Amino acid sequence: EVQLVESGGGLVQPGGSLRLSCAASGFTFSSYIMHWVRQAPGKGLEYVSAITSDGGSTYYANSVKGRFAISRDNSKNTLYLQMDSLRAEDMAVYYCARVGGRYGGYDYWGQGTLVTVSS
Amino acid sequence: QSVLTQPPSVSGAPGQRVTISCTGSSSNIGAGYDVQWYQQLPGTAPKLLIDGSTNRPSGVPDRFSGSKSGTSASLAITGLQAEDEADYYCQSYDSSLSARVFGGGTKLTVL
Repeated sequence: EVQLVESGGGLVQPGGSLRLSCAASGFTFSSYIMHWVRQAPGKGLEYVSAITSDGGSTYYANSVKGRFAISRDNSKNTLYLQMDSLRAEDMAVYYCARVGGRYGGYDYWGQGTLVTVSS
Repeated sequence: QSVLTQPPSVSGAPGQRVTISCTGSSSNIGAGYDVQWYQQLPGTAPKLLIDGSTNRPSGVPDRFSGSKSGTSASLAITGLQAEDEADYYCQSYDSSLSARVFGGGTKLTVL
């Protein structure tokens, strides 16, 4: 059974840092492109970042470019999101998602981890 | 303001048919990029409903169908059921932003 389990969320002050993790199981993690998608409270979905299957290429939404860094450890079947210089507008539930749909859709999602940015 | 525009809400009675539109532009849907649709039940993660504009992943009921034309896409749900009450999101790729983009979401209410 495919499982994606996020962790690392919590309360952080503006300007602070947080590192999210997404532990994958039930599939060959190293074969899949992985993304982070976030959802602010009561709001819609927003693409955050993407990484190729070998970790060789990374991509970011303009809203987080220069502040967030996506990475993966295929030996540990884990995806990461390092978030620095956090702002109030970064407060959201962060989901990791597998790009496994035949046409590029997110076919599996984690349960999400909440990041709260507040002083 | 989302790059893809969806109606904030739609509603229908059980058994009826509803459609949800997703309007984009020449840099996303109009450029030929595929559209995905996701269903998000309250308090849960999104679920892939339609992949590649018209394709249902395994396990998705055939009551759900997708279409695309020009700069727009649509999700149709027939035979509405109470459990279809959820938020629905369209998603595509935008070449101007070089990023995936989502619609603002549509809340479906089953009357």
